[in-house]
Amino acid sequence: QKEVEQNSGPLSVPEGAIASLNCTYSDRVSQSFFWYRQYSGKSPELIMSIYSNGDKEDGRFTAQLNKASQYVSLLIRDSQPSDSATYLCAAPAGGTSYGKLTFGQGTILTVHP
Amino acid sequence: GAVVSQHPSWVICKSGTSVKIECRSLDFQATTMFWYRQFPKQSLMLMATSNEGSKATYEQGVEKDKFLINHASLTLSTLTVTSAHPEDSSFYICSAKALAGEGGRYNEQFFGPGTRLTVL
Repeated sequence: QKEVEQNSGPLSVPEGAIASLNCTYSDRVSQSFFWYRQYSGKSPELIMSIYSNGDKEDGRFTAQLNKASQYVSLLIRDSQPSDSATYLCAAPAGGTSYGKLTFGQGTILTVHP
Repeated sequence: GAVVSQHPSWVICKSGTSVKIECRSLDFQATTMFWYRQFPKQSLMLMATSNEGSKATYEQGVEKDKFLINHASLTLSTLTVTSAHPEDSSFYICSAKALAGEGGRYNEQFFGPGTRLTVL
């Protein structure tokens, strides 16, 4: 079983809609979770970090964490074409990993005008 | 804040030559840096973990004698691809992890812009 799994894509939403990206993880002791955005041909960019249960909002982005269900999600409100990218969910790899992150396989999001 | 730079951004070299890529954390200290490789339309692949002042830890299948990593200071790590061959052509990306608890950045990794290597 993969340590971090993302919902299968690609995901296509119309401009102005809410895009919902989901991620589950297997390591119950994980304390921190991250969402990265990667545009084609570019490196990943950290857009959200979340450490405690509940919601964390930053502009149009909301991360939701449910540790009991081992589930983390990212909502993008008022989606824009510029949000079109691959979104990566990540969690610490665990053990003596020196802070390694385990990444999900990524969800490709397309926002069409 | 949390800016990571890489140099060069792209490089073209002949087969058999060595290429050095630098990764710098510009506004924070990073005891740990990571080196990734990414082929077109594929996921990030972690190559190695670089700790300041100690030997790098390589992932399974990554040749440590081919990909030399040096982490000489809290803000600089280098990756040298030795005797490069066309199959080494890829997008190499470094990331830096802030010191634990620094500015609330627990386990956050910040990526450099990447280096695109083409070996002819």
